[in-house]
This record gives sequence, C-alpha cells and structure tokens, in this order.
Amino acid sequence: GDSVTQMEGPVTLSEEAFLTINCTYTATGYPSLFWYVQYPGEGLQLLLKATKADDKGSNKGFEATYRKETTSFHLEKGSVQVSDSAVYFCALSDWSAGNKLTFGGGTRVLVKP
Amino acid sequence: DTGVSQDPRHKITKRGQNVTFRCDPISEHNRLYWYRQTLGQGPEFLTYFQNEAQLEKSRLLSDRFSAERPKGSFSTLEIQRTEQGDSAMYLCASSLAGKGGWDEQFFGPGTRLTVL
Repeated sequence: GDSVTQMEGPVTLSEEAFLTINCTYTATGYPSLFWYVQYPGEGLQLLLKATKADDKGSNKGFEATYRKETTSFHLEKGSVQVSDSAVYFCALSDWSAGNKLTFGGGTRVLVKP
Repeated sequence: DTGVSQDPRHKITKRGQNVTFRCDPISEHNRLYWYRQTLGQGPEFLTYFQNEAQLEKSRLLSDRFSAERPKGSFSTLEIQRTEQGDSAMYLCASSLAGKGGWDEQFFGPGTRLTVL
C-alpha cells in the first residue's frame, strides 16, 4: 500500500536559519503530495501541495518540489521565524482511491529566538 | 463559522462503555473523512463518505466501530465497548470532490478520546 516516510524530530533551529524536512513516499498510482501543518492548539491546515511530477508547491515562504525520480517531496524554508514552530506532516492522496490522505509520522519544529 | 466542527472536543470514558462523536462538515461538501491520530503519530485513515454512501473502510476500523452519514450532511462515529487502545484524537475532514484530481480536505479540531 501507499506510505510516507519523513524525518523524525524534533528539529530545533534558531530564527532565520534554513529549514529542510525530508519526505519520501511509496505509491502505486500517481499521487498528489501535500504538506500539512499543525500549530500548537490548532487543527491541521494545508500548507502547500503539488499534483504532478516537477510541480513546485509554495506558501508562506515554504517550498517543496514533487520529484518522481526520487519519490521525494522535501519541505524547505530559507529563513524560519518563531511563528513557524509547529508539527509538519507530509502526505499523499490518490484520486482513484477516494483521495484519502496517507500521512507521514510528523516532524516537530521548534524555532528559538 | 463555516469550518468543520466536531463535538465533543474531549471525551473521557471507562473501558467497555460506548461513545459517539459527531462531525459537521463545511456546508455543501460532498465528501467526509474520519481519521485517527495517536500521540506522536500522523493521522491514519479510518473511513470516508461520498454524500451518504460509505465508500471505504480501513482495516483499522474494527467491528466495534461504526460510522454513518444519514442525510449526506453531518456524520457520527460510534465506538462500542471501548478499549484503552482506542484512546486517540479522532479527526474529521470534509472536501468538495470534483470529477477527478485532488480535492482539499479541511480538518476539524478533533475529538480527543481517553479510555480509562
């Protein structure tokens, strides 16, 4: 079945540092890829998406590129802020399977001032 | 408020009791999903509905679990004879599915279940 693997946390950074969270996937079809974010005390929110190979998703300074050849969708941000402290989840969905989401285990990011 | 709502937000119960959770999706969203998230893990798919039809159930959904969406609007998830292993956050999400391609799922705040 489909699966998503992402780097374990916690990741602790200083403000303005560069952030990378690795994500790789296994899928039988042609999935769409997502990054969701969960801020403290809040629900899951979609951060960005990419629906086909070589697409780049971007939002709030975060970027991720759908790499079919390496089955990866790494999340990056050039300069993090304290407000980026959250748990980040990589996920995939396949429209032919009802678009149910398959999530990675999550990576907690803590940004210190 | 037009977001996904879930009730209750927290539920503490004793082992062996039955519990029921409710999810109200975004109005006019035709798909509704249930996920379960245990501490430190990512959410896991349980089941989903297209309108009132339950189209898929995960193997995680044992016979003690049942979900309904009677009129294609709100949904309920019932757990019978709860076990300590059922303790988790139960998440609901809704989306407006088109004729193909991805559709964004909007998540509710979740119901945290603690089984003593």
